[in-house]
Amino acid sequence: EVQLVESGGGLVKPGGSLRLSCAASGFTLSTYWMHWVRQAPGKGLVWVSHINSDGSRTGSADSVKGRFTISRDNAKNTMYLQMNSLRAEDTAVYYCARDYNWNALDHWGPGTLVTVSS
Amino acid sequence: QSALTQPASVSGSPGQSITISCTGTSTDIGSYNLVSWYQKHPGKAPKLLIYEDIKRPSGVSNRFSGSKSGNTASLTISGLQAEDEADYFCSSYGGRTTSVFGGGTKLTVL
Repeated sequence: EVQLVESGGGLVKPGGSLRLSCAASGFTLSTYWMHWVRQAPGKGLVWVSHINSDGSRTGSADSVKGRFTISRDNAKNTMYLQMNSLRAEDTAVYYCARDYNWNALDHWGPGTLVTVSS
Repeated sequence: QSALTQPASVSGSPGQSITISCTGTSTDIGSYNLVSWYQKHPGKAPKLLIYEDIKRPSGVSNRFSGSKSGNTASLTISGLQAEDEADYFCSSYGGRTTSVFGGGTKLTVL
């Protein structure tokens, strides 16, 4: 069974950092692109970043470019999102998702809540 | 990277059909056959309904169908059921290794 589980969320002060992890099981992580998507309280889904299967290509939304870095360790079946210079508007549930076939996110984790507040 | 445009809400009665539109631009929806649709219930992870504009993953009801014309994609739900009440989001590949979501549409089953 395909499973994705995020971890690393929590309360952080503005300007602080957090690293989210996404542990994958039930499939071979190295054969899939992966994404981070977030949802602020009461708002819609927002694409954050994605990474290709071997980690050589990434893309990020303008709102996080230069602050967030996506990476992966296929040997550990884990993807990461390093978040620096956090702002109040980064407060959201962060989901990791598997890309089945070009922007088709077929499996999602339950999400991890990041709260940026002083 | 502007969000795709969806109506904030739609509604329908059980058994009816509804259509949700998703408007983008010639650089995202209009350039690629890579629109996907997701259903999201509160507190749950999103569920993929449609990918590559019109394809349905195995296990998704054939009551859900996708279409596209120019820069606008659409999701049609036929034979509305109470459990279809949820938020629906479209997404498109945006080129230059980016993706974009729509703002979401709240479906109410009357």
